[in-house]
Amino acid sequence: GAVVSQHPSWVICKSGTSVKIECRSLDFQATTMFWYRQFPKQSLMLMATSNEGSKATYEQGVEKDKFLINHASLTLSTLTVTSAHPEDSSFYICTPAGGYNEQFFGPGTRLTVL
Amino acid sequence: DAKTTQPTSMDCAEGRAANLPCNHSTISGNEYVYWYRQIHSQGPQYIIHGLKNNETNEMASLIITEDRKSSTLILPHATLRDTAVYYCIVRGSNRDDKIIFGKGTRLHILP
Repeated sequence: GAVVSQHPSWVICKSGTSVKIECRSLDFQATTMFWYRQFPKQSLMLMATSNEGSKATYEQGVEKDKFLINHASLTLSTLTVTSAHPEDSSFYICTPAGGYNEQFFGPGTRLTVL
Repeated sequence: DAKTTQPTSMDCAEGRAANLPCNHSTISGNEYVYWYRQIHSQGPQYIIHGLKNNETNEMASLIITEDRKSSTLILPHATLRDTAVYYCIVRGSNRDDKIIFGKGTRLHILP
C-alpha cells in the first residue's frame, strides 16, 4: 500500500523558534496534501490543504502566517510552525490526497514547545 | 463539521466480535463511509470503506444499512491490539475531498 513518511517524528524546541515538518508521499504523486493537528485526548482537526504549485487553503481559525505550508513538489509538502509557543504543542499529521481510495496517513510528528 | 456520530466508548471481550456503530443520517448519494483507527501516538490506520454494499477485508467487515443512514464496523475476533480509537467518516467520491474527523469511539478490548 501507499507509504507516507513524516520527518521528524518528534521535536522539542524553545518558545519563539520555528519548526519545519516534512511530509512525503513515497509511492504516488500527490497534488493535494491535508494537514491535521491533534491535541491530547482530542480528534484530528483539519488545519489546511496544500496544493502543489499554488497557495494552501486554511481552515477557519488557523493562522496562515503562523503555519506556513509549502507544496513544492508532488511528493513533498512542508509545514512550518513559525515562532512556536507552548500552545502549538501538538501532534501533526499529514495525508496525501488523489492517490489511493484508502487515503493513507503519515505516522505523525509530535511537537513540544518549551 | 463531521457528518457522523459514534458512541464515545465501548468495551469488548477479547476473542469476541466487536461491533462499532456509526450514524450518518445526512449522507449524500455519492458519499462513501470510511473507517479508520488510531492507536495512541500513531497516524490513523485505514480499515475499510464502502458506498452501499457490505464490504469485507482481512481486517474487518462493514455493514451499511439499506437507507445508508448508519453503518457498523465489525472486528470478528477482537484482540488486545485492537484497542484504539475508531473513526467513522463520510467522504465524497472525489479523492481531493476533505476528510473531516468526528470524535470517534474509544474501543477497549478486555482480556
